[in-house]
Amino acid sequence: QVQVVQSGAEVKKPGASVRVSCRTSGYTFTTYGIAWVRQAPGQGPEWVGWISTYNGDTKYAQKLLGRVTMTTDTSTSTVYMELRSLRSDDTAVYYCARDSCTSDGVCYIDNWGQGTLVTVSS
Amino acid sequence: QSVLTQPPSASATPGQRVTISCSGSSSNIGSNYVYWYQQLPGTAPKLLIYTNNQRPSGVPDRFSGSKSGTAASLAISGLRSEDEADYYCAAWDGSLSLWMFGGGTKLTVL
Repeated sequence: QVQVVQSGAEVKKPGASVRVSCRTSGYTFTTYGIAWVRQAPGQGPEWVGWISTYNGDTKYAQKLLGRVTMTTDTSTSTVYMELRSLRSDDTAVYYCARDSCTSDGVCYIDNWGQGTLVTVSS
Repeated sequence: QSVLTQPPSASATPGQRVTISCSGSSSNIGSNYVYWYQQLPGTAPKLLIYTNNQRPSGVPDRFSGSKSGTAASLAISGLRSEDEADYYCAAWDGSLSLWMFGGGTKLTVL
């Protein structure tokens, strides 16, 4: 059974950095990529980026380029997302979610973690 | 600021059928698959429909998806009180190279 468990809530001041972890289990870690999606209060989800757990390749949302970094730790089947120079509009629930892929190789976001609330406030 | 446009709300009575629309463009819905997610209050989104019209195992056949051109829709038949939730469409946008989500539709079961 696929499990995706994230680290706990964080409160940060503007300008600080935050690192959220996403620990997976129940499958071969390097088989599926991990996406990060955030959801500000009362808003729809916003894609943050994606990392290949196979080779570490990353894709980031243009608006976050330069502030976000995703990394993997294969030994613990864990993915990390670091967001730097935090601003108040970064306040959101951050979700990690494992790819699911069809037999045709079409992959999409599925198997979401429980979410991590990141609050940016002075 | 969502590129995928959904009506903010929808409502129907138990047993009825409701349809939620999602409008996009040639770079997202027009050229890529559409996905639908259900989000209950305080929980993570749950995949309802993948690749336009496929249901993951465990999703009742009351839920169905369709796509035509640059628009997609989610239909829920035999509406039940537990279907009251927020529903989001999503599609990959090839021009922006990112996953786009709709702004969400809050479904109320009257």
